[in-house]
Amino acid sequence: EVQLVDSGGGLVQPGGSLRLSCAASGIVLRRYAMSWVRQAPGKGLEWVSASSGGGDTTYYADSVKGRFIISRDNSRNMLLLQMNSLRAEDTAVYYCAKAGYSSGWFDGWGRGTLVTVSS
Amino acid sequence: EIVMTQSPAALSVSPGERVTLSCRASQSVSSDLVWYQQKPGQAPRLLIYGASTRATDIPGRFSGSGSGTEFTLTISGLQSEDFAVYYCQQFNNWPLTFGGGTKVDIK
Repeated sequence: EVQLVDSGGGLVQPGGSLRLSCAASGIVLRRYAMSWVRQAPGKGLEWVSASSGGGDTTYYADSVKGRFIISRDNSRNMLLLQMNSLRAEDTAVYYCAKAGYSSGWFDGWGRGTLVTVSS
Repeated sequence: EIVMTQSPAALSVSPGERVTLSCRASQSVSSDLVWYQQKPGQAPRLLIYGASTRATDIPGRFSGSGSGTEFTLTISGLQSEDFAVYYCQQFNNWPLTFGGGTKVDIK
């Protein structure tokens, strides 16, 4: 059974940094594209960033481009998201998501980790 | 960026009724469309991929149809566990984009 455990969220001041982690079990992470998807409080889903299985191809939403970096440590079966220059509008629950047959949709999700950007 | 528009934003339904949710894309996404269900405090759950293929363990009362720019998710015989928010998402082009969601609650 696939299990994704996201962690690393917390309270951070505007302009600060945070690194999220997603530990995968039950799968060999390098075989799958992965993404981060976020959800602001009371709002809908927003795709943030994606990484190919090998990590050599990455994509970002315009809202985070230049500030967030997605990476993976396939030896540890982990997906990472380095978030810099955080803004209040980055406040959300962040989910890691495992891609299905195509890299663009998700058949497995973590439980989410809450990031709050506030002074 | 492809904009996904869902309608209605919310609807109240009685258990046992048939429900049809709509999702429209601002340009053609072929059949590169999925549906998710999300309950309060939970992560989304994949229901339908490729516009019409049910995901593993999804009951037969859920069905998806459409292609191009118009898609529907139909729930035949709504059950108590189906009250949730439903999202469509396109994966034809980057960035991936979600619709705003349709909340289905109990009448």
